[in-house]
Amino acid sequence: QVQLQESGPGLVKPSQTLSLTCTVSGGSISSGGYYWSWIRQHPGKGLEWIGYIYYSGSTYYNPSLKSRVTISVDTSKNQFSLKLSSVTAADTAVYYCARAPATTNFDYWGQGTLVTVSS
Amino acid sequence: AIRMTQSPSSFSASTGDRVTITCRASQGISSYLAWYQQKPGKAPKLLIYAASTLQSGVPSRFSGSGSGTDFTLTISCLQSEDFATYYCQQYYSYPLTFGQGTRLEIK
Repeated sequence: QVQLQESGPGLVKPSQTLSLTCTVSGGSISSGGYYWSWIRQHPGKGLEWIGYIYYSGSTYYNPSLKSRVTISVDTSKNQFSLKLSSVTAADTAVYYCARAPATTNFDYWGQGTLVTVSS
Repeated sequence: AIRMTQSPSSFSASTGDRVTITCRASQGISSYLAWYQQKPGKAPKLLIYAASTLQSGVPSRFSGSGSGTDFTLTISCLQSEDFATYYCQQYYSYPLTFGQGTRLEIK
């Protein structure tokens, strides 16, 4: 059973960089066939796809965030990470990591982590 | 970006009811559509993919249909654990996008 777990600071100051890591267990990122994703949900709102990465390092980003987003992978640790720069209060959200078979839907999700942007 | 519009945004139903939620895409997406269920404080759970394929472990009272621009999620006999928010998601083109959600409440 694949499990994903987000980790990182729950509070980030405006203009700084939000950094989160997702640790995958029960399966290897480097086995291929899946894209490893970040999705966020503003409080009380819907879901927004941020982007995803393949184990080889290929990435796809949401154009609305592309200029500020970097997703990277560390296959040796079975982890992938999100960096979102120049954050504002509008980036306050629950951030989820998830697995996508090929480039499709999201079949396994982490529990989510709330990141608040505030001074 | 493809806009996904769900209807209704919220509604009330009773245990045992048959309910249908609609999702409309702003352009054709073939059958590249998934449905998710989300309960408060929890991550979304994949219910259906490829518009009508039930994810492993999901009860058969859930079903999906549609192709092109119009899709439906049907719950044939509501159970207490089905009261939640439901989202559709297209994966036909980037950026991947979700509907705004349909909140299903107990009447």
